[in-house]
Amino acid sequence: EVQLVESGGGLVKPGGSLRLSCAASGFTFSSYSMNWVRQAPGKGLEWVSSISSSSSYIYYADSVKGRFTISRDNAKNSLYLQMNSLRAEDTAVYYCAREGPVMVRGFDYWGQGTLVTVSS
Amino acid sequence: DIQMTQSPSSVSASVGDRVTITCRASQGISSWLAWYQQKPGKAPKLLIYAASSLQSGVPSRFSGSGSGTDFTLTISSLQPEDFATYYCQQANSFLFTFGPGTKVDIK
Repeated sequence: EVQLVESGGGLVKPGGSLRLSCAASGFTFSSYSMNWVRQAPGKGLEWVSSISSSSSYIYYADSVKGRFTISRDNAKNSLYLQMNSLRAEDTAVYYCAREGPVMVRGFDYWGQGTLVTVSS
Repeated sequence: DIQMTQSPSSVSASVGDRVTITCRASQGISSWLAWYQQKPGKAPKLLIYAASSLQSGVPSRFSGSGSGTDFTLTISSLQPEDFATYYCQQANSFLFTFGPGTKVDIK
């Protein structure tokens, strides 16, 4: 069974940093691109970042470019999101999501999410 | 960047109704569109990929169509478990973009 479990969320002050993790199991992690998607309270989904299976290709939404860094450790079956210079508008539930096989091009498995609150 | 719009933003419907949601991309995305269902407090669930392909395990009352810039998600006969928010997502560009969502609630 595919499982994605996020951790690392919490309360942080504006300008602070946080590192999110996503532990993957039940599939060959090193074969799939992975993504972070966030959802502010009461709002819609916002794609944040993606990383290819071998970390060769990395993309960011304009809203986080230069502040967030996505990475992965295929030996540990883990995905990460380093978030720096956090702002109030970064407050959201952060989901990790697996990008399906090539012809799917959708996010076929999601974690349960971890809440990040940026507030003084 | 590719922008996505959805209409309506919300729809009230009854069990058994046919519901259609429209999604439009700001530029052509071929058939690289996905649809998701999200219930309160839960992670989104992939329903449709490549505009019209049903994800494994998703009931056949869900269907998708369209290509280029205009797409639709249809629920042929709304069931109680279908009351949720639906999002489209373009997958043509590696800068994935979601639509703003359509909430389907009980009439």
